[in-house]
Amino acid sequence: NAGVMQNPRHLVRRRGQEARLRCSPMKGHSHVYWYRQLPEEGLKFMVYLQKENIIDESGMPKERFSAEFPKEGPSILRIQQVVRGDSAAYFCASSPLGFSGANVLTFGAGSRLTVL
Amino acid sequence: AQTVTQSQPEMSVQEAETVTLSCTYDTSESNYYLFWYKQPPSRQMILVIRQEAYKQQNATENRFSVNFQKAAKSFSLKISDSQLGDTAMYFCAFSGAGSYQLTFGKGTKLSVIP
Repeated sequence: NAGVMQNPRHLVRRRGQEARLRCSPMKGHSHVYWYRQLPEEGLKFMVYLQKENIIDESGMPKERFSAEFPKEGPSILRIQQVVRGDSAAYFCASSPLGFSGANVLTFGAGSRLTVL
Repeated sequence: AQTVTQSQPEMSVQEAETVTLSCTYDTSESNYYLFWYKQPPSRQMILVIRQEAYKQQNATENRFSVNFQKAAKSFSLKISDSQLGDTAMYFCAFSGAGSYQLTFGKGTKLSVIP
């Protein structure tokens, strides 16, 4: 079992460019969560998706950020027109059922975005 | 809203010794879950231990154990017989029952000294 796979591990973008981060959940997991870790901070919830549905995007910035989890393929976190404040590590997690604390999330190794 | 506070930004411990990392939280919920995650330099988030609030017995996983004080809203992690591989950031996290979000503290950087 390959676990939660994220790529790229490192991504460098210039201000104004687009960043796309991909997450393949564990086999058999249909629930995906994205978290952001700013420097010197803990992880903060961004969005929860099931296949083809956004369940909760309350942690996503209102502009420039979007996420999808298509029927086929990985989940994508997209950041348009990146700014320096978007520099962070972005973590994806997955679970077989909706996470409720009674089960556990499996995290990927994260994607580190650096905006020049 | 829930908050999680880790008051020790950095700690160090000698190899084979015992260390305790502190965590307090604030919630109005009566049922919830608490977690400790380890983040080594590889950045992978690894679950160390999990506690259910309705269970009075403290959770243990090999060298890792917790001291859960529900009334004080305290959830400390004890690492016994510290090993070099325990060097990492440790994050305390909270999840309300039925909530799919984890709320994390800012972390404690633990260094195990040979």
